Formats: sequence, structure tokens, C-alpha cells
Amino acid sequence: TQLLEQSPQFLSIQEGENLTVYCNSSSVFSSLQWYRQEPGEGPVLLVTVVTGGEVKKLKRLTFQFGDARKDSSLHITAAQPGDTGLYLCAGAGTGGFKTIFGAGTRLFVKA
Amino acid sequence: ETGVTQSPTHLIKTRGQQVTLRCSSQSGHNTVSWYQQALGQGPQFIFQYYREEENGRGNFPPRFSGLQFPNYSSELNVNALELDDSALYLCASSLAQGAYYGYTFGSGTRLTVV
Repeated sequence: TQLLEQSPQFLSIQEGENLTVYCNSSSVFSSLQWYRQEPGEGPVLLVTVVTGGEVKKLKRLTFQFGDARKDSSLHITAAQPGDTGLYLCAGAGTGGFKTIFGAGTRLFVKA
Repeated sequence: ETGVTQSPTHLIKTRGQQVTLRCSSQSGHNTVSWYQQALGQGPQFIFQYYREEENGRGNFPPRFSGLQFPNYSSELNVNALELDDSALYLCASSLAQGAYYGYTFGSGTRLTVV
């Protein structure tokens, strides 16, 4: 059974601080996605990484896929209150059709 | 380009009843996946439909069933509702390789079973 473990589960920081969220598994994924979900809404895709070691940047967000394609990290620089939300990592297995999600990291950025 | 639309947004049902949730996929997308998200958890894969056929299923009992229509819209049916079925049900549309590139999600249907 493929599992994705996210850490930390909850993070409360001040505006302007940096943070890193981790997503780990013992399984290899063909691709890994990061989503952000706000209360009462569905997850919104932030990025997809597909190559081991790949790094993608989206403004203040930096995403990295592990060399072995088993883990990933999301780093936010100078967090803002608008970054508040639930961050989910999701891995697509080599089977193709199924994506599994981690339990999420709930981020709260205080002004 | 229209996004994914789900209906209804909220629903309250009694244990033992049946429920049908609906999803209109994003324009151009031919694959629909359904997920269940319990409070404080990540989404759990229920099943996926491609070309009107079930194309994979997660660890959910047969009382969870679905349909996909020629216009790629989809329904999720749950029979004999149980209290633990209370959750946010998310529909995600994609092209056939959506599991690889990522999904477009609807806002979900909040189901409460009492």
C-alpha cells in the first residue's frame, strides 16, 4: 500500500518567516503534485514535479522532488497571511490512474 | 474555459438512505475521479471513470458506485448510508493522464449523515 506522510501536520508562523513542509514515502512515484486547499473549497494544483531532483519555483514557493522520486519538499520564503491554507502533496503511482494524497499540512500565517 | 462543477454543495441524509452526487467536468477533460475527504484528512481515492467505464477503484465497498456520461459528466451514488460516510466528496477532472499531470477539482459536496 502506497502512503504519503506529510510533516509537520500543523504550522503557525509570523508573517515574513520562512518554512518548509515535507512529504515522504517508501514508494516511488511517477510524478508528485502539490495542492493548496482553503476551507469549503477543493484543492487547487500548485505544481507537478516529474523528474528526480527537479526543482520548481513559483514566486515565493520552491518545490523539490527527491532524487529517488520518493519524497518532496515545499519551501515558502517570507510567508504572507494569504499563504494560509491546507497544503497537500499527492503522488501518482507507476500504475497511472490513481493519485494518493498525504493528510496535509495546515499552515496559518499571522499578520 | 469552465471549471469543475459539483452539485449539490451541501446535503443532509439519514443513515440507511441513498444519495447521488453530480459532477460536470472541465471543458476538454475526459476523465473523472472521485475522492472522499473526511474532516482533517487528505482526500481518499474512491474510483475513476474514463470513456464511461470504471478505470480503477480505491478501498471502498460496492455500495459506492458511479457513472460517467457521454458528455464526460459523472455521478457518485452511495447506498445504505452510514454515519462514517459523512465527508466532503470531491470530483476531479483531467485528461486521460491526469494522474500524472494533476487534477482540476470541484468545490465538493459536503455530505452529513445523521
